[in-house]
Amino acid sequence: DAKTTQPTSMDCAEGRAANLPCNHSTISGNEYVYWYRQIHSQGPQYIIHGLKNNETNEMASLIITEDRKSSTLILPHATLRDTAVYYCIVRVAGYDGGATNKLIFGTGTLLAVQP
Amino acid sequence: AAGVIQSPRHLIKEKRETATLKCYPIPRHDTVYWYQQGPGQDPQFLISFYEKMQSDKGSIPDRFSAQQFSDYHSELNMSSLELGDSALYFCASSRGTSGRAGETQYFGPGTRLLVL
Repeated sequence: DAKTTQPTSMDCAEGRAANLPCNHSTISGNEYVYWYRQIHSQGPQYIIHGLKNNETNEMASLIITEDRKSSTLILPHATLRDTAVYYCIVRVAGYDGGATNKLIFGTGTLLAVQP
Repeated sequence: AAGVIQSPRHLIKEKRETATLKCYPIPRHDTVYWYQQGPGQDPQFLISFYEKMQSDKGSIPDRFSAQQFSDYHSELNMSSLELGDSALYFCASSRGTSGRAGETQYFGPGTRLLVL
């Protein structure tokens, strides 16, 4: 079962910041928070991940609360092309031959960017 | 940058036929994962391979088998196809050696299988 809960859907105006929340209250100390998105029937696209520090890359920022029980993905200037299902996934860090590296997808958040 | 390649992109089969899906990982990636996404559903993990050995197994039917070859590409073989096998099949790859943050999986474009 997925270890995260996310709102089913969200709207955002084009050009504004989109803030997507994720609850992962049972996260373990060795688990990362990963974000992927899936644009209509395309392969899931990696966005960003983090352990406990906030992270930023060219696509988004990830804010993780100090207790690590929740996080927020921020798309700073949403465009129509950002309309997608966004998945927040917790996954064990490191590598042990791949046995614990599978991604368990929850229902995700459908972000609709409005013109 | 090179991405994960999957072939074919679309496949139509009849019930009880067999199908083979292929996945070519990103260069220097030695771990491959297969996921199935039914209509209106979220991706579900099927099976994974690391260095040509099966490393994990999910809800993969016994009618399905998979392997990873010496060049790290992988094939998912599906026999006695059923209508319910109609789905998107995604392959993802990652590097097996631990980096700063574990091994990020990168997905291919998927194969859309339709069983009639």
